Amino acid sequence: DQQVKQNSPSLSVQEGRISILNCDYTNSMFDYFLWYKKYPAEGPTFLISISSIKDKNEDGRFTVFLNKSAKHLSLHIVPSQPGDSAVYFCAASALDSNYQLIWGAGTKLIIKP
Amino acid sequence: SAVISQKPSRDICQRGTSLTIQCQVDSQVTMMFWYRQQPGQSLTLIATANQGSEATYESGFVIDKFPISRPNLTFSTLTVSNMSPEDSSIYLCSFSYGPGNTIYFGEGSWLTVV
Repeated sequence: DQQVKQNSPSLSVQEGRISILNCDYTNSMFDYFLWYKKYPAEGPTFLISISSIKDKNEDGRFTVFLNKSAKHLSLHIVPSQPGDSAVYFCAASALDSNYQLIWGAGTKLIIKP
Repeated sequence: SAVISQKPSRDICQRGTSLTIQCQVDSQVTMMFWYRQQPGQSLTLIATANQGSEATYESGFVIDKFPISRPNLTFSTLTVSNMSPEDSSIYLCSFSYGPGNTIYFGEGSWLTVV
């Protein structure tokens, strides 16, 4: 049973436009969510996180939105740049799991020139 | 955050052999983890490396296959034992400063078993 789902394996976006990556979860105990970015042949890099007490967190071009009632979060990248082409992983954790991360399958973002 | 490094970064291994991956963090960290990412799949937690005691393994992973050491707060090793082609994967070391903190990853070790 996948507790964290990224239903789009890939997403193609024009450079300069907005990229929206989606993530759904099933465990209502999750209270901390993270996005990681991964280039080929490299380890994942932490991008941005959000606590369940918030519904939005912004850091430069990256904004994460959390909708707890829908158990949905999204990562917005605007404007999208060629260097944003990577695989993006959504992860979630809960206090009762000692904050071990549960990972989504990842979405490959391709930024077209 | 601390700098984390792994070695080897890449290796090609013979079936039936074992390989030890080393992970070094440049400052003391509370929690260290070992992950695996098989081709086309997401990240899977193998185990939490506990300083001075046996690692805590996730379902599907056992100590005989993936022995882990963590002699201090800055260093850990993962051994992939008796390798088969199914063990071809990226193995990632990571750390956290404690529960509820962000997890930071090393560059990963790419293992190909032939």
